[in-house]
Amino acid sequence: ETGVTQTPRHLVMGMTNKKSLKCEQHLGHNAMYWYKQSAKKPLELMFVYNFKEQTENNSVPSRFSPECPNSSHLFLHLHTLQPEDSALYLCASSQESTYSHNEQFFGPGTRLTVL
Amino acid sequence: GNSVTQMEGPVTLSEEAFLTINCTYTATGYPSLFWYVQYPGEGLQLLLKATKADDKGSNKGFEATYRKETTSFHLEKGSVQVSDSAVYFCALSGPYGGSQGNLIFGKGTKLSVKP
Repeated sequence: ETGVTQTPRHLVMGMTNKKSLKCEQHLGHNAMYWYKQSAKKPLELMFVYNFKEQTENNSVPSRFSPECPNSSHLFLHLHTLQPEDSALYLCASSQESTYSHNEQFFGPGTRLTVL
Repeated sequence: GNSVTQMEGPVTLSEEAFLTINCTYTATGYPSLFWYVQYPGEGLQLLLKATKADDKGSNKGFEATYRKETTSFHLEKGSVQVSDSAVYFCALSGPYGGSQGNLIFGKGTKLSVKP
């Protein structure tokens, strides 16, 4: 138990569906992150929020839309996805994102399958 | 830009064997270096870290030394157990840029330990 929870753990959706992934951290951190983990590829950083402000969008397609209403919650809204978007989506948090020595704490991930 | 290269897996060892997983990095200045571990069906957990040259990180019998001269951070364990079977990720963050806390990961090395 890392203090970061993600729901749902598994999600199957069609290409025309709209769904959302939720992440919550109970660690009092100020930075939250979304990563994509695909087979045989390095973890890809998607978005970073620091004190509720988006500080990084790593050229992510607009069909992925993040939302950070407060420092404890992070959402990833999904619409009109493609089969190649099937992956494990990991959420992480850290004290804040501007110091290189800060450890990131990861949630268990949401396994997304796009049909 | 910054990058991390780690040895390709999978690595298969017998219980009590010695483990080395090589990791080298490319970065300007002095990044922070991390090893994360991912057990089946879970998110990533920090295994150990080092934030300056010649630092040794250690945890659960694993060790890695930050070698600036060889730009390396190899992971070692003297005697592996079946419970060490997992995927191991080398990562760096910093040292320059607006979001120094962002992690850059290697592709991961899958370790299987046989009884």
